[in-house]
Amino acid sequence: NAGVTQTPKFQVLKTGQSMTLQCAQDMNHNSMYWYRQDPGMGLRLIYYSASEGTTDKGEVPNGYNVSRLNKREFSLRLESAAPSQTSVYFCASSFGPNTEAFFGQGTRLTVV
Amino acid sequence: DAKTTQPPSMDCAEGRAANLPCNHSTISGNEYVYWYRQIHSQGPQYIIHGLKNNETNEMASLIITEDRKSSTLILPHATLRDTAVYYCIVRFYTGGFKTIFGAGTRLFVKA
Repeated sequence: NAGVTQTPKFQVLKTGQSMTLQCAQDMNHNSMYWYRQDPGMGLRLIYYSASEGTTDKGEVPNGYNVSRLNKREFSLRLESAAPSQTSVYFCASSFGPNTEAFFGQGTRLTVV
Repeated sequence: DAKTTQPPSMDCAEGRAANLPCNHSTISGNEYVYWYRQIHSQGPQYIIHGLKNNETNEMASLIITEDRKSSTLILPHATLRDTAVYYCIVRFYTGGFKTIFGAGTRLFVKA
């Protein structure tokens, strides 16, 4: 069971560079999420997709864009990376928005 | 979503029950209480959730007070592998969605 797969696992960017974090789930879940976790803190919701074809902002959406490519895949794009975006990024999915979420193993992003 | 308050850290002896409290005094009637844990830097792992009744599964029990303003996660026989950060969150989706994880409780299980 792959569950939720995130790529890459580690990434170092220079300020101003762009990149896309990929997330795919194989559990036929309808809802998908992107969170960031800064050192010593809890997770904060960046964007979510309650169902295929819809995306909405979470608590901290500035500097990010998302694409729900299909039911399986939900990508997060940083158009112009900033040091403040250095964080661990987690993707998650759930059958519905009110059911338990399953998380990927995270992408550690450092912006220098 | 309601805000949750948890103690920053707790200790528990191996083999004993770990009782992790959570206050959510502003919870609304249709918000669920969820518990997750995060071991080291892995992705959070779902443990249990409930609305107003107590719940039990193979991992833990969830006790929600009658007024729903607080809850307790119980790990009946803690092991060293249960050392983790435990997050209590409340959420309900009604066309808009927020999830507030907070800083959680760091549980240390000691031999």
